[in-house]
Amino acid sequence: NAGVMQNPRHLVRRRGQEARLRCSPMKGHSHVYWYRQLPEEGLKFMVYLQKENIIDESGMPKERFSAEFPKEGPSILRIQQVVRGDSAAYFCASSPPGNSYEQYFGPGTRLTVT
Amino acid sequence: AQSVTQLDSQVPVFEEAPVELRCNYSSSVSVYLFWYVQYPNQGLQLLLKYLSGSTLVKGINGFEAEFNKSQTSFHLRKPSVHISDTAEYFCAVNGRNSGNTPLVFGKGTRLSVIA
Repeated sequence: NAGVMQNPRHLVRRRGQEARLRCSPMKGHSHVYWYRQLPEEGLKFMVYLQKENIIDESGMPKERFSAEFPKEGPSILRIQQVVRGDSAAYFCASSPPGNSYEQYFGPGTRLTVT
Repeated sequence: AQSVTQLDSQVPVFEEAPVELRCNYSSSVSVYLFWYVQYPNQGLQLLLKYLSGSTLVKGINGFEAEFNKSQTSFHLRKPSVHISDTAEYFCAVNGRNSGNTPLVFGKGTRLSVIA
């Protein structure tokens, strides 16, 4: 049973470009969470999605950030017009229905904005 | 809502010495508690979790933690550390019976084991 997959592992973007981060949850998991880790900080919740639904986006910046989890395919976290302050590690976690304490984390995508 | 405080940002310790990493939480509801470890440039790996039952929880790599409800603490301990334990450790909390909700993390404690 493969774990949570994230790609790319490293992503370099210039200011103003778009960044797309992908997350494939564990088999049988229908819930996906995105977290951001800034340098010297813990993980901060961004958004929680189920298939085709955003359940909680209270941690998402109001502008430039969006997320989706389509019926088919991975969850996508999109950052438009990236700025240097977006440089961080972005982690995805998945859980089975009804058991959010069983969150399994992917290896993360490290975004660098130059 | 929940919050987590990890009282030490860095903990240096000599190899084979004991270590305790402190974690306090606040919550208006009962909680589940977790410790995760993050090795350099890697994702998070679950060390141990407290869901219910015995307040002393044993995890992987010889780590254990004790849930203290009256002190709202969940300190992580290991009786004898190895060089390979050098990593960042995160305490996290999740509201019990909240369905699927996100974890709330502390800022982390960097454990450095010195030979």
